[in-house]
Amino acid sequence: EVQLVESGGGLVQPGGSLRLSCATSGFTFSIYWMGWVRQAPGKGLEWVANIKRDGSEKYYVDSVKGRFTISRDNAKNSLYLQMNSLRAEDTAVYYCARRDESGNDGDYWGQGTLVTVSS
Amino acid sequence: DVVMTQSPLSLPVTLGQPASISCRSGQSLVNSDGNTYLNWFQQRPGQSPRRLIYKVSNRDSGVPDRFSGSGSGTDFTLKISRVEAEDVGVYYCMQGTHWPKTFGQGTKVEIK
Repeated sequence: EVQLVESGGGLVQPGGSLRLSCATSGFTFSIYWMGWVRQAPGKGLEWVANIKRDGSEKYYVDSVKGRFTISRDNAKNSLYLQMNSLRAEDTAVYYCARRDESGNDGDYWGQGTLVTVSS
Repeated sequence: DVVMTQSPLSLPVTLGQPASISCRSGQSLVNSDGNTYLNWFQQRPGQSPRRLIYKVSNRDSGVPDRFSGSGSGTDFTLKISRVEAEDVGVYYCMQGTHWPKTFGQGTKVEIK
């Protein structure tokens, strides 16, 4: 059974940092593109970042470029999102999501982890 | 960024009746590989999104056949042939052809 489990969310002050993790199981992690999607409270979905199977290509939405870093450890079947210089507008539930083998995003999602940026 | 526009944003439906959601993109979603990366997601209250449809019209495994997707180019539609109580939630279209990937605003389906 495919599972994606996020962790690392919490309350952080503006300007602070947080590292999210997504532990996966039930599939060969190293052959899949992965991504992070966020959802502000009561709002819609925003695709934040994507990373290639071997980590050699990374893509970011403009609003997080230079502040967030997506990475992965294929030996540990895990995906990460390092978030620096956090702002109030980064407050959201963060989901990790998998891209299927045919290049279609979001075939599996985690349960999400809540990040709250507030003083 | 490619703007995805859904309508309606709220859709009250009678149980057993059909429902239709429109999604329009600001530019063509036909990729250089010939595929159109247009997905539909369902998000039930308190749950993570679940993909229903990929590449315009392909149903994901386990998705009831009352859900269908159609369209081409910039105009796409999700149809529910007969709405059931478990279909309540917010539905999003998403384009995966262009970076950044973008979602529609969401359509809230509720039972009348």
